[in-house]
Amino acid sequence: EVQLVESGGGLVQPGGSLRLSCAASEFTFSSYWMHWVRQGPGKGLVWVSRINSDGYSIAYADSVKGRFTISRDNAKKTVYLQMNSLRAEDTAVYYCARDRGYNQFDQWGQGTLVTVSS
Amino acid sequence: QSVLTQPPSVSAAPGQKVTISCSGSSSNIGNNYVSWYQQLPGTAPKLLIYDNNKRPSGISDRFSGSKSGTSATLGITGLHTGDEADYYCGTWDSSLSSGVFGGGTKLTVL
Repeated sequence: EVQLVESGGGLVQPGGSLRLSCAASEFTFSSYWMHWVRQGPGKGLVWVSRINSDGYSIAYADSVKGRFTISRDNAKKTVYLQMNSLRAEDTAVYYCARDRGYNQFDQWGQGTLVTVSS
Repeated sequence: QSVLTQPPSVSAAPGQKVTISCSGSSSNIGNNYVSWYQQLPGTAPKLLIYDNNKRPSGISDRFSGSKSGTSATLGITGLHTGDEADYYCGTWDSSLSSGVFGGGTKLTVL
């Protein structure tokens, strides 16, 4: 069964950093583009970032550009989201998602909660 | 403010049909595939429709998708209480070079 498992969330002070990880299993990870999507408390889905299969093509939402960095390690079947200069408005559940093609997400992790608060 | 516009809520009786609209522009829906997601309370989103109108394996044929111009529609027939969830449309925006979602529609089965 295809699985995506996020980790690394937690409570962090404004201005702090966190690195999220998403470990994939039971599919050929190196063949897929991967995304991060977040959902603030009681809010809708917001696309955050994506990385292509070899890691050389990357895109970010304007709201996180310059603060967040997406990366991947195909040998470890893991995609990462390094989050710096965190703000209260970054508080959300962060999901990683597999791209089945054309930015359509056919597998999602269970999510990891990031809370930015003093 | 979401790039794609969905109604905040829709409702219908059990057994009935409902449609959820998703409106965008030429830079997103007009020139890219639309997908639809169902999010049951407390769970991760689930892909219902991709490539505008295709269903993944295991998704009931009660769910259908269509696209015309810069708008897309999700249809659900034979409603039951288990369909109560938030539904989101999504696509890529070529001008923004980013993924975009609608604000979500809460479905209530009365």
